Amino acid sequence: GAVVSQHPSWVICKSGTSVKIECRSLDFQATTMFWYRQFPKQSLMLMATSNEGSKATYEQGVEKDKFLINHASLTLSTLTVTSAHPEDSSFYICSASNPGGVQETQYFGPGTRLLVL
Amino acid sequence: GQNIDQPTEMTATEGAIVQINCTYQTSGFNGLFWYQQHAGEAPTFLSYNVLDGLEEKGRFSSFLSRSKGYSYLLLKELQMKDSASYLCAVYDSNYQLIWGAGTKLIIKP
Repeated sequence: GAVVSQHPSWVICKSGTSVKIECRSLDFQATTMFWYRQFPKQSLMLMATSNEGSKATYEQGVEKDKFLINHASLTLSTLTVTSAHPEDSSFYICSASNPGGVQETQYFGPGTRLLVL
Repeated sequence: GQNIDQPTEMTATEGAIVQINCTYQTSGFNGLFWYQQHAGEAPTFLSYNVLDGLEEKGRFSSFLSRSKGYSYLLLKELQMKDSASYLCAVYDSNYQLIWGAGTKLIIKP
């Protein structure tokens, strides 16, 4: 149990385009999902916390108008990188908390590698 | 501020035992997690400690001392596939997960 999927796993896009990344909890309902970004050889950086049916909470320094988060259902959250630029190239990882599992453990999706040309 | 400290890198030999330490200073405590992250992949859950003591799970064990703000992850019978980064993370009083920078473990034959 506690499987989280992400799609796509890889995306290459031109500068200025928008990219949508989906995060799904496959075998549990996640009231809370998290979006992280990780640059090469650096630690995870929390971008935002997404709660089903309400607005996401963004970490300091993360532009909410650039990184749009929608958590429309208990199994799906989406992150849209709007007007992507090369500096947005990174490894984006989502995680979801399984309320029925070990205390609020976050289970991670496999990640999405974004390369903006 | 909130802080989690763990060594940046460690090296160990295949078949040996290694202990990765983690110390934390957070506003409150609601549990400590260890995750494993292979290069280029997302983290995977290893263990969770909320009470003092040792939790054993196969070759991996995790220890917690809340009074000392200290935890360690013990890996026995090391295998080459254990080469990865090991991340320590703590839930503070608001259930905000505070992440350590991770310890890169290099296993040599």
